[in-house]
Amino acid sequence: GAGVSQSPSNKVTEKGKDVELRCDPISGHTALYWYRQSLGQGLEFLIYFQGNSAPDKSGLPSDRFSAERTGGSVSTLTIQRTQQEDSAVYLCASSLVAGAWFFGPGTRLTVL
Amino acid sequence: QQQVKQSPQSLIVQKGGISIINCAYENTAFDYFPWYQQFPGKGPALLIAIRPDVSEKKEGRFTISFNKSAKQFSLHIMDSQPGDSATYFCAASMSGSGNTGKLIFGQGTTLQVKP
Repeated sequence: GAGVSQSPSNKVTEKGKDVELRCDPISGHTALYWYRQSLGQGLEFLIYFQGNSAPDKSGLPSDRFSAERTGGSVSTLTIQRTQQEDSAVYLCASSLVAGAWFFGPGTRLTVL
Repeated sequence: QQQVKQSPQSLIVQKGGISIINCAYENTAFDYFPWYQQFPGKGPALLIAIRPDVSEKKEGRFTISFNKSAKQFSLHIMDSQPGDSATYFCAASMSGSGNTGKLIFGQGTTLQVKP
């Protein structure tokens, strides 16, 4: 595609439910990053993929958060047993070369 | 050590004025300093970036000034326009073997340019 796409664009869920957020990076981009942006806050790093492996998971806030990437392309971020503090915009970015990052529009997650 | 501190949190500038946003970092291993622009409902988009071997980089109305000894860098928007109204993030990363290249972001500055 022309850019990084994310789905859904908005997700409202009830506390305790599991959610899956999807990221489709730019074709051929080997690096993929997930970030979280809370209201009025900066971007918080969650996880980095190079190909299908995740050499840096240091930003995942708890074991309720997990992510995978298949075929060196699509990535899914899963949040289990969602809590209200998980409410945020989840952003995905991909890159082929260092420094040339392209962000998706994000998924706005609201946990009621 | 991994933090990037950004100021001000918000900024109001008159059309035609100069907008200045500042960032400071601690980790001298950082070697790439981009600025991102984000409009409501959109993801951040790369605006301009600099590496520490130069002290200034200019692209159109946007200039990054970099002070390696002070560990500070700033974004200057000349002749600010209402269309520049957005949130601006500075960031830093380190390259090289063993590093993921992940960006460490500042807290963001909301810029409003009044017509």
